[in-house]
Amino acid sequence: SQQGEEDPQALSIQEGENATMNCSYKTSINNLQWYRQNSGRGLVHLILIRSNEREKHSGRLRVTLDTSKKSSSLLITASRAADTASYFCATDSGNQFYFGTGTSLTVIP
Amino acid sequence: EPEVTQTPSHQVTQMGQEVILRCVPISNHLYFYWYRQILGQKVEFLVSFYNNEISEKSEIFDDQFSVERPDGSNFTLKIRSTKLEDSAMYFCASSGDRVIRAFFGQGTRLTVV
Repeated sequence: SQQGEEDPQALSIQEGENATMNCSYKTSINNLQWYRQNSGRGLVHLILIRSNEREKHSGRLRVTLDTSKKSSSLLITASRAADTASYFCATDSGNQFYFGTGTSLTVIP
Repeated sequence: EPEVTQTPSHQVTQMGQEVILRCVPISNHLYFYWYRQILGQKVEFLVSFYNNEISEKSEIFDDQFSVERPDGSNFTLKIRSTKLEDSAMYFCASSGDRVIRAFFGQGTRLTVV
């Protein structure tokens, strides 16, 4: 399976702290994407990083990609209570995206 | 930002009934996908669709499932005879290119009773 696997499965932090989530995958990829899902809602695309990129920033988000280790990390800086959600990584392979199981982030006000 | 639209947002159906979940992808997109998420579980791939045919499907996508792009704008997922275990959130997605980000709809919550 090429599914991404995130860790930790659950993360609870205080507002203002940074949150780091990791994703590992098994085979070569074209790109890796991070998505967010609020409970019971749709998936929202956060950021895409291509296989030839090592780091990308978007606002309070920072994504790194290490293709030699087949891993990626998502860092949310200065977290807010509104960041509470599940975060998924997704890798593309053939005609589909493979989603990981997600990290459930709780930001305590 | 362009949006993928799914209707209905919530559908309740009796076991054994047929359901059609509807999606309007972004107008110039060429690749279409259906995913599902059983409550509390990971998002699972069902099927991808390109050039008016299925390009890939998972083992979940058995003979009870079918997809169609009936009029060039809608993209539908039909479940012929629903089972209790089909209860899930179903997400439609589209992309303009296979390697570019996919845009997801807000999902249809299907409840089979």
